[in-house]
Amino acid sequence: DAGITQSPRHKVTETGTPVTLRCHQTENHRYMYWYRQDPGHGLRLIHYSYGVKDTDKGEVSDGYSVSRSKTEDFLLTLESATSSQTSVYFCATGFGSTEAFFGQGTRLTVV
Amino acid sequence: EDQVTQSPEALRLQEGESSSLNCSYTVSGLRGLFWYRQDPGKGPEFLFTLYSAGEEKEKERLKATLTKKESFLHITAPKPEDSATYLCASASSGTYKYIFGTGTRLKVLA
Repeated sequence: DAGITQSPRHKVTETGTPVTLRCHQTENHRYMYWYRQDPGHGLRLIHYSYGVKDTDKGEVSDGYSVSRSKTEDFLLTLESATSSQTSVYFCATGFGSTEAFFGQGTRLTVV
Repeated sequence: EDQVTQSPEALRLQEGESSSLNCSYTVSGLRGLFWYRQDPGKGPEFLFTLYSAGEEKEKERLKATLTKKESFLHITAPKPEDSATYLCASASSGTYKYIFGTGTRLKVLA
């Protein structure tokens, strides 16, 4: 797993509440990514980071924000959770020029 | 717009029955083509990276190949433990984003 830890692994939250997912890596990888995985859509990029405090949007960024204050941590925040954000969220890390490595995922249910 | 398409969506094989999975890509300046395996409830596990047309990589019963428009994952004499979803992803030059296909769900029957 290339030293990638996601927390929490499972979460149930109510519509309208804020939610923060955490990704922690021990590999000193420069690039970090947040994806969501839904049936029929595969893995879709939400946001990514190319360095501390350097982030950019992916294809499905609406309703999500991210922060990276340290190389090892990348946070994904849902400011006001909606049912459409029920999904499995994966963090990935890499050097950017080669393959990315994934965490075990966070299953988020918004009720 | 960069795009990755995988086929078939699902595949059932008998143990020992060889087959191939397809990944078609449309990328402006391919930087790399990646194959992953994903088991239920787990994150994708990296298998191969291919960088240029004609390149091949092998690992046990799996072999990945690359042309200018497609990549193939060949599975020779598969076993039930090869059952998983196989994902293909591309990365284009000038960006460090990985674009994934929707995957092929492989089931190998004993």
